[in-house]
Amino acid sequence: DAMVIQNPRYQVTQFGKPVTLSCSQTLNHNVMYWYQQKSSQAPKLLFHYYDKDFNNEADTPDNFQSRRPNTSFCFLDIRSPGLGDAAMYLCATSREGAGGRTQYFGPGTRLLVL
Amino acid sequence: GQNIDQPTEMTATEGAIVQINCTYQTSGFNGLFWYQQHAGEAPTFLSYNVLDGLEEKGRFSSFLSRSKGYSYLLLKELQMKDSASYLCAVDGSGNTPLVFGKGTRLSVIA
Repeated sequence: DAMVIQNPRYQVTQFGKPVTLSCSQTLNHNVMYWYQQKSSQAPKLLFHYYDKDFNNEADTPDNFQSRRPNTSFCFLDIRSPGLGDAAMYLCATSREGAGGRTQYFGPGTRLLVL
Repeated sequence: GQNIDQPTEMTATEGAIVQINCTYQTSGFNGLFWYQQHAGEAPTFLSYNVLDGLEEKGRFSSFLSRSKGYSYLLLKELQMKDSASYLCAVDGSGNTPLVFGKGTRLSVIA
């Protein structure tokens, strides 16, 4: 029973060609996150949505955009991918409230830029 | 500022016990998480500590000392499948998202 689903699992794109990664969730969590993770590094938060409120990290390049059309779906758009954007992109969700903000991760999309 | 430190790599023998340490300095503290991440896969939730002390869950236990800014993850009866990266993450103050450490890569050898 998948709870956080990411499509596709692997994405190959060309330098400069826009690409969209998708995430959906069946947990009805109000917060959704996008992380970038490169080999042997910690996940790096790009942005998150608290309900419909978009929160961008200060060091997230303008090349990265996000959309959340409804509670269940969130998209990551990379407008002009560079070679340095090749990474694993992780979507996560959490429910704000008592008991801690445990984040549940999707399986990730591995992006390759040629 | 936010800073989380954990060892980069550790090696342990199958059947043994290993302790992975994490120290943190954050502007606030609402709890500490441990995640397991196998190579090429997403992190999966292992444990959450908000009060001082030891939380036990099967072969895995996690300890927290808030006054020392210190936590550890204890893995008992190690199995080969425990070879993975273990990420420490701190839930800071207000609405700031989790801050992740770089992870400790554990290799379990026969």
